Amino acid sequence: GDSVTQMEGPVTLSEEAFLTINCTYTATGYPSLFWYVQYPGEGLQLLLKATKADDKGSNKGFEATYRKETTSFHLEKGSVQVSDSAVYFCAHYAGRRALTFGSGTRLQVQP
Amino acid sequence: ETGVTQSPTHLIKTRGQQVTLRCSSQSGHNTVSWYQQALGQGPQFIFQYYREEENGRGNFPPRFSGLQFPNYSSELNVNALELDDSALYLCASSLGAGGLTDTQYFGPGTRLTVL
Repeated sequence: GDSVTQMEGPVTLSEEAFLTINCTYTATGYPSLFWYVQYPGEGLQLLLKATKADDKGSNKGFEATYRKETTSFHLEKGSVQVSDSAVYFCAHYAGRRALTFGSGTRLQVQP
Repeated sequence: ETGVTQSPTHLIKTRGQQVTLRCSSQSGHNTVSWYQQALGQGPQFIFQYYREEENGRGNFPPRFSGLQFPNYSSELNVNALELDDSALYLCASSLGAGGLTDTQYFGPGTRLTVL
């Protein structure tokens, strides 16, 4: 069935380090792909999205490219900040009108 | 443009009780979806409504039901609460009819604790 797999956390980085959070998916057809971020005690905020193969979504220094050949949508940021500490969720639009989410990756950035 | 709002923020119920959670979508958004997020997990789709009709449903029992109103508000009702229903309940609204390019915008959630 349709699913999203993310790398397990927590990921702990020092400020200004490079970030990669891996995400792969299985789906029928060509889903739209999303990254959402959840700060402590809050709901989900849309970080970026891509709706077709080779599209690159970007926002606030974060980027992810829709790779159909590898069914991946890895999240990257060149220089993380303490304020980026949060849980990051990869998701795809799987049909049945539902977003399917990964289990989330907690990022901790230390000063 | 106002965002998605939910009420209450927190709620404590006992097993067997019934609960109603409320959501106010962004103005003009015809579609509302509800998700359950257990601690440490990703959100799980409960159901979606489009123009007051159920438009899709996840693997949740019938005791989870919903309503959508013409004023962009909606409700999630859960009957016969069980301990495993303890979770963060998220509402999300989107502009279209749930098509593949629709983007869902989430509210802050309601934290339900069942004792």
